[in-house]
Amino acid sequence: DQQVKQNSPSLSVQEGRISILNCDYTNSMFDYFLWYKKYPAEGPTFLISISSIKDKNEDGRFTVFLNKSAKHLSLHIVPSQPGDSAVYFCAASDYRDDKIIFGKGTRLHILP
Amino acid sequence: EAGVTQFPSHSVIEKGQTVTLRCDPISGHDNLYWYRRVMGKEIKFLLHFVKESKQDESGMPNNRFLAERTGGTYSTLKVQPAELEDSGVYFCASSLPGLAGRETQYFGPGTRLLVL
Repeated sequence: DQQVKQNSPSLSVQEGRISILNCDYTNSMFDYFLWYKKYPAEGPTFLISISSIKDKNEDGRFTVFLNKSAKHLSLHIVPSQPGDSAVYFCAASDYRDDKIIFGKGTRLHILP
Repeated sequence: EAGVTQFPSHSVIEKGQTVTLRCDPISGHDNLYWYRRVMGKEIKFLLHFVKESKQDESGMPNNRFLAERTGGTYSTLKVQPAELEDSGVYFCASSLPGLAGRETQYFGPGTRLLVL
């Protein structure tokens, strides 16, 4: 059973518009959430994270929102750029260990 | 600074053969992790080393998988004998010691294993 779920396998967004990637989780013990970006033939690259004590974290064009009551987080990219085309993994961990639990990923296509 | 490196980048073997994957973490990173992604599925945790000690090996599929990290530097993951379902991409990641370890793990490019 998946503890981190990304229900959209792919998403296409026009260049310059906002990209919103969604993620749901089931484990109440998760207290740290991350987004990773992955290009073909490369490993995942850390993008942005958020602790469960916050509901928003912003880093340049990237913002992550956390709704603990709904067990939902989202990644906003604005404005979207061609180089943002990649697979985005939502991930989570709990305070008891370091292992990261990943979702299946969402493939983002930025259209010219 | 060099990132996490993995060798080989690709491996094609027959069922029943043995394969050994290697990971060199970032220098100074005590934490080393192995993950696996089977095609189309999520990236799954396999195990976690702190220096040369296995901190958590709860994700290891079965006893055909053996991970080592002698001397606390590079790590190897051996699959013996390999089965068809072992095919996938094996990622290694490393992170700084202590609490920082759970914040940012740096991933290598992965080894793509295909078992025929």
